[in-house]
Amino acid sequence: KAGVTQTPRYLIKTRGQQVTLSCSPISGHRSVSWYQQTPGQGLQFLFEYFSETQRNKGNFPGRFSGRQFSNSRSEMNVSTLELGDSALYLCASSLDKSYGYTFGSGTRLTVV
Amino acid sequence: AQKVTQAQTEISVVEKEDVTLDCVYETRDTTYYLFWYKQPPSGELVFLIRRNSFDEQNEISGRYSWNFQKSTSSFNFTITASQVVDSAVYFCALSEAMTEEGAQKLVFGQGTRLTINP
Repeated sequence: KAGVTQTPRYLIKTRGQQVTLSCSPISGHRSVSWYQQTPGQGLQFLFEYFSETQRNKGNFPGRFSGRQFSNSRSEMNVSTLELGDSALYLCASSLDKSYGYTFGSGTRLTVV
Repeated sequence: AQKVTQAQTEISVVEKEDVTLDCVYETRDTTYYLFWYKQPPSGELVFLIRRNSFDEQNEISGRYSWNFQKSTSSFNFTITASQVVDSAVYFCALSEAMTEEGAQKLVFGQGTRLTINP
């Protein structure tokens, strides 16, 4: 059974550019969440989607956005990249409350 | 607001020693869920355990055990007879009441980097 797949694994972007990260949840999982991990701030919640609807959003600027498609795949977008956006971005999906969230391996974004 | 504190930033022990990772949480919710995740160098967060606020039974899974005490708002994790493969960063997390499809938001502690030396 395939796990949560995130693409790409690594990304280097220049300040001011925008980036789109992709997440394919485990088959059958309808809830998808995104987290940002940095050495200074740790793991922080970005947003959570269920059935194409954003149900919860963390305390991030509007440059961070996301969406979920009908097949539960999700994308997150960061516009006007800043150096501080360099981080590991983790996606997680959930089947039901008995399992908690299964995380992907993440996309490591470096902004130069 | 919810908060999770893992006071131990780094722990280093010799293989076969027992080690306990501390986790203290804050929440005003009466229904909440606690988790432990392991993050190896590959970066993926590996789910270890989930515990709800109404279940204070301790749990043991092989060499791993968890002690949940609501009175002290703690959810500590013990590895018995540690092995080199246990080396990783361990995160404690808290969520508010779950929806049918799972937690809507996890609040993580800062993590404890555990190094098991041969």
